[in-house]
Amino acid sequence: EDQVTQSPEALRLQEGESSSLNCSYTVSGLRGLFWYRQDPGKGPEFLFTLYSAGEEKEKERLKATLTKKESFLHITAPKPEDSATYLCAVDDNTDKLIFGTGTRLQVFP
Amino acid sequence: GAVVSQHPSRVICKSGTSVKIECRSLDFQATTMFWYRQFPKKSLMLMATSNEGSKATYEQGVEKDKFLINHASLTLSTLTVTSAHPEDSSFYICSAVGPNNYGYTFGSGTRLTVV
Repeated sequence: EDQVTQSPEALRLQEGESSSLNCSYTVSGLRGLFWYRQDPGKGPEFLFTLYSAGEEKEKERLKATLTKKESFLHITAPKPEDSATYLCAVDDNTDKLIFGTGTRLQVFP
Repeated sequence: GAVVSQHPSRVICKSGTSVKIECRSLDFQATTMFWYRQFPKKSLMLMATSNEGSKATYEQGVEKDKFLINHASLTLSTLTVTSAHPEDSSFYICSAVGPNNYGYTFGSGTRLTVV
């Protein structure tokens, strides 16, 4: 069965303290891996799509990487406004997304 | 960029009544839309896939008679929660397959409270 697992479940960082979020996946065929940011009471906001192992994408303080088994979302020198839940999702060629459970990130000043 | 509008953002209804939630793709045509349900501090649970002009495909365990989905045009899908009960209270989110038939854009969600 296709599965997406995110870790850690929750992460507390001091402002400026860099870290990484993990998304491990087990799927029969990967068409794309997505990262989203979700603020409380809002829908997910698109961050990145990765298609193949070795691919990397960056946006401001965020950098996403992909291997054959997992993806990392690296956060460099985070700020309090980066606090949110980060969701990973996989398109496994079934034309729908499989979501992980998310990582709740809190960044303190 | 692709924008999906969801309305209303919040709704409170009495037990036994029905509530309709709209999901519109504003600047692109979406042949496929998805409806999710999200419980507090949990991830998104896919309820159904909505295809324009055809019946929705429901995930296992989702009652199709309770959660009616209509996708009458390439820019609008609706979810109607029929005979709502307090246990239907939740956060409902729609998404649409974006331009070029790929990419998934999400609406801002609807908080449903049944009293």
